[in-house]
Amino acid sequence: EVQLVESGGVVVQPGGSLRLSCAASGFTFDDNAMHWVRQVSGKGLEWLAAISWDGGTTYYADSVKGRFTISRDNNDNSLALQMNSLGPEDSALYYCAKDKGYLVATMILESWGQGTLVTVSS
Amino acid sequence: EVVLTQSPATLSLSPGERATLSCRASQNVKTYLAWYQQKPGQPPRLLIYDASNRATGIPPRFSGSGSGTDFTLTISSLEPEDSAVYYCQQRSDWPPLPFGGGTKVEIK
Repeated sequence: EVQLVESGGVVVQPGGSLRLSCAASGFTFDDNAMHWVRQVSGKGLEWLAAISWDGGTTYYADSVKGRFTISRDNNDNSLALQMNSLGPEDSALYYCAKDKGYLVATMILESWGQGTLVTVSS
Repeated sequence: EVVLTQSPATLSLSPGERATLSCRASQNVKTYLAWYQQKPGQPPRLLIYDASNRATGIPPRFSGSGSGTDFTLTISSLEPEDSAVYYCQQRSDWPPLPFGGGTKVEIK
């Protein structure tokens, strides 16, 4: 069974930085691209970033480009999201998600974690 | 950038009734459209991908149709556990990877 467990969400001050992690299990991690998606409480879903199976290619939404960095460690079956220059608008529940494709990014988000909550507040 | 518009915002139906949810794309996305279900306090779950393919483990009462700019998610006979918000998402033109604003399905 696919398991994705996010961690690292905390309360952080505006302008601060935070690193989120996602521990993956139940599948061959380096077979699949991975994604980060966030959701403001009571609102819709916002895709943030994706990374290819080998980490060689990354994609970002304009809203986070230059501030957030997605990375992965295939030896450790983990995904990360480094977030810098955080503002109140970044307060949300952050999900990691597994892409459906095998060795190709299909942009179909097949499995999701439970999310980790980030609050940006002074 | 593709914009996805979902309608209606809320759908209130009784168990056993048929639910029809709409997703309209601002430009042609061929059949590269997915549907996700999100129940309160849970992460989204993939229901349908590429317009009409059910994801693993999804009951046959869920079906998707459409191509180009107009898509439909149909729940043929509503069950109480189908109460959720449903989102569409396109993968024809990315990044970004936009989601629709969602349709809330309420079971009376």
